[in-house]
Amino acid sequence: GQNIDQPTEMTATEGAIVQINCTYQTSGFNGLFWYQQHAGEAPTFLSYNVLDGLEEKGRFSSFLSRSKGYSYLLLKELQMKDSASYLCAVISNDYKLSFGAGTTVTVRA
Amino acid sequence: IAGITQAPTSQILAAGRRMTLRCTQDMRHNAMYWYRQDLGLGLRLIHYSNTAGTTGKGEVPDGYSVSRANTDDFPLTLASAVPSQTSVYFCASSDGAGVTDTQYFGPGTRLTVL
Repeated sequence: GQNIDQPTEMTATEGAIVQINCTYQTSGFNGLFWYQQHAGEAPTFLSYNVLDGLEEKGRFSSFLSRSKGYSYLLLKELQMKDSASYLCAVISNDYKLSFGAGTTVTVRA
Repeated sequence: IAGITQAPTSQILAAGRRMTLRCTQDMRHNAMYWYRQDLGLGLRLIHYSNTAGTTGKGEVPDGYSVSRANTDDFPLTLASAVPSQTSVYFCASSDGAGVTDTQYFGPGTRLTVL
């Protein structure tokens, strides 16, 4: 089976930086996705990493280390609208997405 | 742009009843997926279809069936609902079934089985 771990909850202040870690143990590795999901809504795509290193997209960055089975999502200059769940998902050898349980980020004024 | 639509938005169902959740996409995506999302467990794949006319089982297929008669529609049927099938169900689609194909999700159906 696939094992994907991420923290359950994180809280941060508006304007701050938060780093959400994700570790995985899967049957092979073909890429890692991060999705954002606001309460009661559908997940929406944030980033995709398949090679080691940092991918930056505006205020959001995602990092991958395949040798360590580790990724993180970095949210900078936090805004209230960033309060959401962040889902880490890995594509393994069967080309199917396996999701972590998600990290709920609460941004406080 | 509609993207992916799901119906109904929510439903309360008596145990033992049959229920079909509908999913339609207008992006001409080849691959479609059904997930259920439960608190603390994350999204789990129920069934998938890499292209019209083909389907496959995901991580939690028992008690569910799907069909893919055309590109746009991918209904999920619960033949005889049980309370453990209470969940939020998301349909998703992607252009292909390859590793770089981003999945796009519908708005979800909240199902309660009593």
